[in-house]
Amino acid sequence: KQEVTQIPAALSVPEGENLVLNCSFTDSAIYNLQWFRQDPGKGLTSLLLIQSSQREQTSGRLNASLDKSSGRSTLYIAASQPGDSATYLCAVSGTDKLIFGTGTRLQVFP
Amino acid sequence: DAGVTQSPTHLIKTRGQHVTLRCSPISGHKSVSWYQQVLGQGPQFIFQYYEKEERGRGNFPDRFSARQFPNYSSELNVNALLLGDSALYLCASSGGWGVEQYFGPGTRLTVT
Repeated sequence: KQEVTQIPAALSVPEGENLVLNCSFTDSAIYNLQWFRQDPGKGLTSLLLIQSSQREQTSGRLNASLDKSSGRSTLYIAASQPGDSATYLCAVSGTDKLIFGTGTRLQVFP
Repeated sequence: DAGVTQSPTHLIKTRGQHVTLRCSPISGHKSVSWYQQVLGQGPQFIFQYYEKEERGRGNFPDRFSARQFPNYSSELNVNALLLGDSALYLCASSGGWGVEQYFGPGTRLTVT
């Protein structure tokens, strides 16, 4: 059974710091891995999708890497801003569904 | 282009009642999935529909059912509501499997 874990559960940093959020999964047989952002009480916003054959994807200040053999992905946020404050969720795709971690709650203070 | 839309935004129901939640996918998307997210947890998979057929079902009781219409919109039905059904219900659409999933804003269901 696929299990997804995200560390840390919460993170509070000053503006301008570079951040690394971690995601690990137990079964390497995945189609892809997707990172999402969720603001309180809202839906999910897709940030990056990494196909199983890819090693990384970049979008603006965000970079996500994938190492299937070790069951790990990292989301790197450069030069964090208060507007980055949200919960970040990673999800791996199985045969018919996404399996989510419990998220990392990020607060960036001015 | 409009994203994934869901209705209603919020809903309050009493235990034992029935509820119907609705989702319209992004234009051109034929796959719709439903997820339940309780406070402090990641979303849990309920159903996936593709081309109007059920392609996947999560570990939820038979009180939960869904369907997809010819225009690819979808309904999630929950019967005999329990307090534990209180959650944010999310709908996701995509063009198929193994591609990016796009989520709607969710329906917040409160069961009293």
